[in-house]
Amino acid sequence: QKEVEQNSGPLSVPEGAIASLNCTYSDRGSQSFFWYRQYSGKSPELIMFIYSNGDKEDGRFTAQLNKASQYVSLLIRDSQPSDSATYLCAVNPYGGSQGNLIFGKGTKLSVKP
Amino acid sequence: EPEVTQTPSHQVTQMGQEVILRCVPISNHLYFYWYRQILGQKVEFLVSFYNNEISEKSEIFDDQFSVERPDGSNFTLKIRSTKLEDSAMYFCASTPGELFFGEGSRLTVL
Repeated sequence: QKEVEQNSGPLSVPEGAIASLNCTYSDRGSQSFFWYRQYSGKSPELIMFIYSNGDKEDGRFTAQLNKASQYVSLLIRDSQPSDSATYLCAVNPYGGSQGNLIFGKGTKLSVKP
Repeated sequence: EPEVTQTPSHQVTQMGQEVILRCVPISNHLYFYWYRQILGQKVEFLVSFYNNEISEKSEIFDDQFSVERPDGSNFTLKIRSTKLEDSAMYFCASTPGELFFGEGSRLTVL
């Protein structure tokens, strides 16, 4: 059974702080990894994707991948109240088409003004 | 910015009724997907569709479900005889590249 695990939270950080979100996955052969943000009652919105070990930065967001440890993380710098949402980690363990993803249950982030 | 559009946004139906959820994927995308999310649960893959046929499907996508691309733009999910446990948000998505989701259709089965 291919699994993606996340701490459900809530994770509460003050405005301006760094939020750190973590995810582990079970299938060692997984090749592509995604972070989505989901506001309550809305659809998932892609924030970042990462395919190679190491860090990938995009604005205030940094994704980190460690395939040996089967671990993906997302750092949000200078957190804003508008970042308050559930963050979904998703993994493609199948290769091929990018869209058949396994999602974690998500970590709820709350950024306090 | 191009987007995936879904209709209806909310549908209420009686158990045993047929439901069709509609999606218009982004026009130059070739792979289409349906996912669902039961309230408070994970987003779950249902089916992928490429070149007018199903390319992958999950265990959830049983004989009660079907997908179709009846014309060049629409992509539909049909549930033949709805059950209470089909109540969920259903998301359509398309690629190539990264997965872009529509706003979802909330299905409530009474």
